[in-house]
Amino acid sequence: AQSVTQLDSQVPVFEEAPVELRCNYSSSVSVYLFWYVQYPNQGLQLLLKYLSGSTLVKGINGFEAEFNKSQTSFHLRKPSVHISDTAEYFCAVSDQGAQKLVFGQGTRLTINP
Amino acid sequence: NAGVMQNPRHLVRRRGQEARLRCSPMKGHSHVYWYRQLPEEGLKFMVYLQKENIIDESGMPKERFSAEFPKEGPSILRIQQVVRGDSAAYFCASSHWGVSETQYFGPGTRLLVL
Repeated sequence: AQSVTQLDSQVPVFEEAPVELRCNYSSSVSVYLFWYVQYPNQGLQLLLKYLSGSTLVKGINGFEAEFNKSQTSFHLRKPSVHISDTAEYFCAVSDQGAQKLVFGQGTRLTINP
Repeated sequence: NAGVMQNPRHLVRRRGQEARLRCSPMKGHSHVYWYRQLPEEGLKFMVYLQKENIIDESGMPKERFSAEFPKEGPSILRIQQVVRGDSAAYFCASSHWGVSETQYFGPGTRLLVL
């Protein structure tokens, strides 16, 4: 069965500092990978996704992620964060050929001025 | 193009009552997914539907929960005889096709069972 592990439940950083949110997955088949962001009391918004091709994926709001098959990881990065990036971030995986998403527990990113 | 609509946004029920959650997918989308988010947890898949068909209900509790997506109208997630453990945020997502397509999420319905 698939599973997703987000290694940090909370990540505090200072404004304009770089950030990396870690995500590891386990699956016996080829997968699609996603990062979603959830602002307080709102639904999820897609940041970026990896389906195939280049392992470096660029998303919205200056975020990017790198797919590493050998390490089964899909870490999310941003070189310089802003106060408005404060939110919960979810990594998700789906088997190629399947429709349902399996989510990690989420990482709460807090930006301090 | 309106996004995924869910109503109500907040729902309060007493134990034993029924809860009906509605989801209108994005225009042109024929695939609907329901997820549940318990407090301090990630989202858990419940059910995947296409028009008039349940495709995958592997995440649905076997009792009290049901879902439908009729030919006309919104998708409905129905919870009968609610218990306190049903308190959660229920999110609906939709996609145009299925496999590899981005799922667009609604704002969620927050169910509180007293």
